[in-house]
Amino acid sequence: DAGVTQSPTHLIKTRGQQVTLRCSPISGHKSVSWYQQVLGQGPQFIFQYYEKEERGRGNFPDRFSARQFPNYSSELNVNALLLGDSALYLCASSSKVEMGSNQPQHFGDGTRLSIL
Amino acid sequence: QQQVKQSPQSLIVQKGGISIINCAYENTAFDYFPWYQQFPGKGPALLIAIRPDVSEKKEGRFTISFNKSAKQFSLHIMDSQPGDSATYFCAAIFSWSGKLIFGQGTTLQVKP
Repeated sequence: DAGVTQSPTHLIKTRGQQVTLRCSPISGHKSVSWYQQVLGQGPQFIFQYYEKEERGRGNFPDRFSARQFPNYSSELNVNALLLGDSALYLCASSSKVEMGSNQPQHFGDGTRLSIL
Repeated sequence: QQQVKQSPQSLIVQKGGISIINCAYENTAFDYFPWYQQFPGKGPALLIAIRPDVSEKKEGRFTISFNKSAKQFSLHIMDSQPGDSATYFCAAIFSWSGKLIFGQGTTLQVKP
């Protein structure tokens, strides 16, 4: 079975530009979460979507936005790119999100975004 | 209160030895504690996970020990192999939120 797939794998942008990153979850998974991983650090939570609704948002500016489509795939958009947005952006999927469900999140290999 | 603190930052172990990575958390509402392994250029891969009502879980060479009263948990890698060389992250989550809180990571090097 295919795992979480992300595209593109690498992206180079300049300051002020906008970027859209894409994620396809594992088949049957209805929850998608986005994380930012800066080199040498653990991933930081950006957004979580479940059944096409935003369920959580991390401490990121409004330049970051996301959405989930009826087929449960997701896009992360970042506007007005800054040098500090250079990072690995990870998408994770899980089957459901509810109290006590303990459904593990499975990650894709990420999109490496470099801002010049 | 939502932090997860991980130590050591880096670890060097001889082949066949035991690798031990420790994590501590503050918020007792966390209800699931996974460990992830990450190789360069790859996303984190789920290794093993535990619920707070279990004190130990073993899967192959990997064991999680969980101390609820001390709010600490650790990963033990038995018979460490060079192929285990990677960065390891502990994490904690409120299962209703879907938000994983990661530790800072431990870079493990297993010498042949």
